[in-house]
Amino acid sequence: IAGITQAPTSQILAAGRRMTLRCTQDMRHNAMYWYRQDLGLGLRLIHYSNTAGTTGKGEVPDGYSVSRANTDDFPLTLASAVPSQTSVYFCASSVEGSTDTQYFGPGTRLTVL
Amino acid sequence: GQNIDQPTEMTATEGAIVQINCTYQTSGFNGLFWYQQHAGEAPTFLSYNVLDGLEEKGRFSSFLSRSKGYSYLLLKELQMKDSASYLCAVRDSNYQLIWGAGTKLIIKP
Repeated sequence: IAGITQAPTSQILAAGRRMTLRCTQDMRHNAMYWYRQDLGLGLRLIHYSNTAGTTGKGEVPDGYSVSRANTDDFPLTLASAVPSQTSVYFCASSVEGSTDTQYFGPGTRLTVL
Repeated sequence: GQNIDQPTEMTATEGAIVQINCTYQTSGFNGLFWYQQHAGEAPTFLSYNVLDGLEEKGRFSSFLSRSKGYSYLLLKELQMKDSASYLCAVRDSNYQLIWGAGTKLIIKP
């Protein structure tokens, strides 16, 4: 593979269920990000990681958690999904955290019923 | 608060030129990005401006005026494949990207 992959492509989930969205990159980028994109709104940062082993909160972190055990993987977990988490989720990465262009994965369309 | 404003939608004709404006009010400024996003796809990087002036890249150019909090993306010789949303994003003083809602560009034959 080359670039960023996300799984699943789409998912319908019952409210209250736990869900993990997967993100993997093979570019050896240090920084990774999770965004959500909702109609009429700009991309909003959920969580980020500037390097393996560290994570930080973005603009809308509530209800989400992340981990960064290694450089390549950055999973996003919804502990107990709610309908307001229905959105398209994009993972992105950049060489370094603060100064570089971000490159995006194909996205996961999540519907919480 | 921080704010990025772009027109919601624009329409242009194939072969013509279109200018998409972006105005911003952010806590600090460390660069402005333009991304293209086709429907159902990921955003892809188009351009980056950190100093005032025009950056040209093929049919696409991006302009920045930091004193006015203003940028535009200029698309020349429009093609049907340019139908997409164009996202403006500003990196603030904390080096976080603040995103506009995007401008949907419709190209008509």
